[in-house]
Amino acid sequence: GQQLNQSPQSMFIQEGEDVSMNCTSSSIFNTWLWYKQDPGEGPVLLIALYKAGELTSNGRLTAQFGITRKDSFLNISASIPSDVGIYFCAGRDNDMRFGAGTRLTVKP
Amino acid sequence: DTGVSQDPRHKITKRGQNVTFRCDPISEHNRLYWYRQTLGQGPEFLTYFQNEAQLEKSRLLSDRFSAERPKGSFSTLEIQRTEQGDSAMYLCASSYQRGDTQYFGPGTRLTVL
Repeated sequence: GQQLNQSPQSMFIQEGEDVSMNCTSSSIFNTWLWYKQDPGEGPVLLIALYKAGELTSNGRLTAQFGITRKDSFLNISASIPSDVGIYFCAGRDNDMRFGAGTRLTVKP
Repeated sequence: DTGVSQDPRHKITKRGQNVTFRCDPISEHNRLYWYRQTLGQGPEFLTYFQNEAQLEKSRLLSDRFSAERPKGSFSTLEIQRTEQGDSAMYLCASSYQRGDTQYFGPGTRLTVL
């Protein structure tokens, strides 16, 4: 089963708003990753974080690797309709474990 | 397209039938992973290969499941005597080596009637 707690489960926001989601774990991970999945497709990597405290941006996306190595967050600024989808966090030590996902809906 | 590919994209089968899925990883990637994803959940690890060697199997992988990667390139996942509980998206991912980022294919959606 899932070992990561991802929240919120779902979000309904207006276009242009900022979004924040996070992931926590009882285990330490060496790497945190954030993926986005569209319906009927596989997850697509958005951001990979390799060091505790690391803050990385990819366009309007910003993610941070928590200092305790047990958490991570993802922010999306100025959301647009194509941001709709399910966002998954994943923590990796030897294996990769996924959160249950945050379903994002953006209203135009 | 040099990404991970999977075939078929969709499979509908009757309970008790056998099914086989194929995954073609990114060509220079040594590691290949299989995951299962049910509705409303994230992917769950099933098994992975380092070249042709199957190095780890999750306890989710029952005896009815078998995976192969005979030449260290493409892989197949077979499910024998399918059950309704096997209905899920089966995802394949590949990476260059251990610890590297995994890149996912589009998945095979299995529906067992």
